[in-house]
Order: sequence, then structure tokens, then C-alpha cells
Amino acid sequence: GESVGLHLPTLSVQEGDNSIINCAYSNSASDYFIWYKQESGKGPQFIIDIRSNMDKRQGQRVTVLLNKTVKHLSLQIAATQPGDSAVYFCAENGGTDSWGKLQFGAGTQVVVTP
Amino acid sequence: ETGVTQSPTHLIKTRGQQVTLRCSSQSGHNTVSWYQQALGQGPQFIFQYYREEENGRGNFPPRFSGLQFPNYSSELNVNALELDDSALYLCASSPLAGGNNEQFFGPGTRLTVL
Repeated sequence: GESVGLHLPTLSVQEGDNSIINCAYSNSASDYFIWYKQESGKGPQFIIDIRSNMDKRQGQRVTVLLNKTVKHLSLQIAATQPGDSAVYFCAENGGTDSWGKLQFGAGTQVVVTP
Repeated sequence: ETGVTQSPTHLIKTRGQQVTLRCSSQSGHNTVSWYQQALGQGPQFIFQYYREEENGRGNFPPRFSGLQFPNYSSELNVNALELDDSALYLCASSPLAGGNNEQFFGPGTRLTVL
């Protein structure tokens, strides 16, 4: 079946640098996407979302880019901090008939080094 | 913190037993979704409850069942536990049913099946 996947399982970033986490999706019916951050022992925490009628959305230190042509999603974190160390998941909704199901990728581990 | 609470935090069962996990949704949220997260993987959608009825289901067998109560809290029941059921079980609440809304996750229940 169609699924969400991530290109890099682990991303090592120096403190203060910008991070870019990539995600490929294959379900063309998906029209809503979310990035979650999950720290060890905790549930996923919402970072930012984007709907398919947008190409870019910015939050506090984060930017999500959506390229529907190549079915690609990315999360940019500016001035990465030690507290950004976590696993990051992208999720898609599979379209409006998905009944609330979010399909998650496998995750990318971000490690921030001093 | 999202305001979504789950109990218990940890649970150990043996194969063949039954388990009930509980979730209290965030205030004002009428929809609860359950996910299973195996170690090192992204969450997998089990089902969603809206207005006390199942509102969509993922690829899980019937021994996974649930309930939603008038106060929107929810239970996940798993019968005839198998070793592969060992995972983090996450509950997420959202203000509306369907797949176009942010889902707020609780901290999860860690289930170990021996």
C-alpha cells in the first residue's frame, strides 16, 4: 500500500546550525500533513502542519515545505538547539476519506552536538 | 503538555491475557484515535472514536476493540495478547472527526507481553 517514508534515519547537526528533515509520501490523495517531534519516553508533540493548498508554512524557528509535484515534504529548523534532539515524524492523512487516520513515516533521529 | 492523559503508564502481561488501556481526551475534544508504536517505528493507526462510535479502523484484528464514553474518554481493549502486541500505545484527541485536524497525543502506555 501507499506509505510515508523518510530519507535519513539519523541526522547529526551542530548546535546553531539549521536542520533539514526530508519526507517522501506516495498517497496522492493526502491533503493534510503534520510534523511531530517525539522525545524519549513521551508521546509525539505537534510541531507544524500544512494543507495541500499551500507550499510553505512558517512557525517559530520551523518551516515546512510541501512539493506536491514530487510528493516531498521537508521540515527546516533554524538555529538548532540541544532541546531539538528527538525523533521527528512526518504524517499524512491519506485524503479526506481517511476517517482521521494519520499515516506516519519511520522517523528521523536528530542529534544536536555542541 | 497536551492535556491528554493515559493510564497506566506501564503494564506487563503474559501471552493470552486481556488488557484495557484508558485515555482522557483534551477538554473540548470529542474525537479519540488510538495508535500502536512498536520500538523504533512510527505510530500505526488502530481506530478512531467519534460520538461513542468507531469512525475508522486500521489493519488490526478484531481482538483490538475500543469504547468511547459520553465524556469522550476512551478505552482500548486487546484480547488474547500476543508477544508482538508489545508496544507503546498512544491515544490522540482532536476537536473534530476526520483527517484534517491536528491530533494531540498523550504520553502513551508501554505494554510488555511476556
